Amino acid sequence: EVQLLESGGGLVQPGGSLRLSCTASKFSFSTSVMAWVRQAPGKGLEWVSALSASGGATYYADSVGGRFTISRDNSKNSLYLQMNSLTADDTAIYYCAKVRGSLRLGESSSYFDSWGQGTLVTVSS
Amino acid sequence: EIVLTQSPAILSLSPGERATLSCRASQTVFRYLAWYQQKPGQAPRLLIFDASNRATGIPARFSGSGSGTDFTLTISSLEPEDFAVYYCQHRNHWPPEYTFGQGTKLEIK
Repeated sequence: EVQLLESGGGLVQPGGSLRLSCTASKFSFSTSVMAWVRQAPGKGLEWVSALSASGGATYYADSVGGRFTISRDNSKNSLYLQMNSLTADDTAIYYCAKVRGSLRLGESSSYFDSWGQGTLVTVSS
Repeated sequence: EIVLTQSPAILSLSPGERATLSCRASQTVFRYLAWYQQKPGQAPRLLIFDASNRATGIPARFSGSGSGTDFTLTISSLEPEDFAVYYCQHRNHWPPEYTFGQGTKLEIK
């Protein structure tokens, strides 16, 4: 069974930075597209970012573009999210997710088939 | 940008009843639509992908249908563990941006 374990969440002041990590096991991480999805308290799901298997292609939601950076280390089976210039609107549970499908042009059969348990990020002074 | 609108926002039913949840897209998504279930305090779980394909381990009482702009998730006979929030989701043609509906809360009547 796929396992994804997030870490790195916590309380950070507005304008601050945080780096989330996700450690993967029990599947072929190096050949899998990965993503981050977040959920503000009491709200719905919001896609944040996605990354190709090689790490060469990255995509971001407009709400985080220019502030967040997604990356991976396939030698460590790990996914990361560097978050800068954080605001209260970034307060959420951040989930690491494995993508079933690709990020290629036109290949819209692309879904989140495994999720971690999430890590809570709270941005507050 | 494609917008996914789910209805109803809240659905109150009893165990054993049939549940019908709707997801409408602002423009055609062909059959590229998924459904997720989320229980309180848990991560979402993929139920249905490509409109009608059950994900691994999903019981047969869950079924998906639809194409184009109108999609339905049906739970044929509700079990107590089915009461949760359900989301639909689509990946854009290009660039690859993912969109979720706002969710339908299925609660016990």
